[in-house]
Amino acid sequence: GAVVSQHPSWVICKSGTSVKIECRSLDFQATTMFWYRQFPKQSLMLMATSNEGSKATYEQGVEKDKFLINHASLTLSTLTVTSAHPEDSSFYICSARTSGLAIHEQYFGPGTRLTVT
Amino acid sequence: AQTVTQSQPEMSVQEAETVTLSCTYDTSESDYYLFWYKQPPSRQMILVIRQEAYKQQNATENRFSVNFQKAAKSFSLKISDSQLGDAAMYFCAYNFGNEKLTFGTGTRLTIIP
Repeated sequence: GAVVSQHPSWVICKSGTSVKIECRSLDFQATTMFWYRQFPKQSLMLMATSNEGSKATYEQGVEKDKFLINHASLTLSTLTVTSAHPEDSSFYICSARTSGLAIHEQYFGPGTRLTVT
Repeated sequence: AQTVTQSQPEMSVQEAETVTLSCTYDTSESDYYLFWYKQPPSRQMILVIRQEAYKQQNATENRFSVNFQKAAKSFSLKISDSQLGDAAMYFCAYNFGNEKLTFGTGTRLTIIP
């Protein structure tokens, strides 16, 4: 149980275009989803927290107009990188958390590697 | 703000031996959760072990155990009988209430055959 998927696993896009990454909880309802960014050989950096039906809360320094997050249902959150540039190339990871007894547990997706050319 | 410190960027251990990864954290809270996550080359984050701060007993999961010293704010991970599949980045993480996870900088573990 507690499986989180991400799609696509790998994407290449041209500079100036937008790309959408999906994060799905497959067997549980995710009341909260988190989006992280990870540079090579570094730790995970939290970008934003989203609760179903609410606007995402962005971490300091993260451009909310560039990284659009939508959490429209209890099983799906999307991250859209708008007007992507080479410096946006990174590994993006989502995680999901449910309410109730397991509230402290986060279940991670397999990640999406974004390359902007 | 809570911080998590992993002072060992890299560690190596001989296969079948035991290795301990260090983690310290800073918090003013008394009831919180601590985690060790493993990130192998596939980059999928895998939960290794979890400790609830109000529990005095150290958590264990098969070959993995922790040494939780609440007063010292220390949370080390011991891997016994190291296996080649244990090679990965290991991240220590802290969580309080329903807030976000705070991660350490990670320790890269190499297993020597």
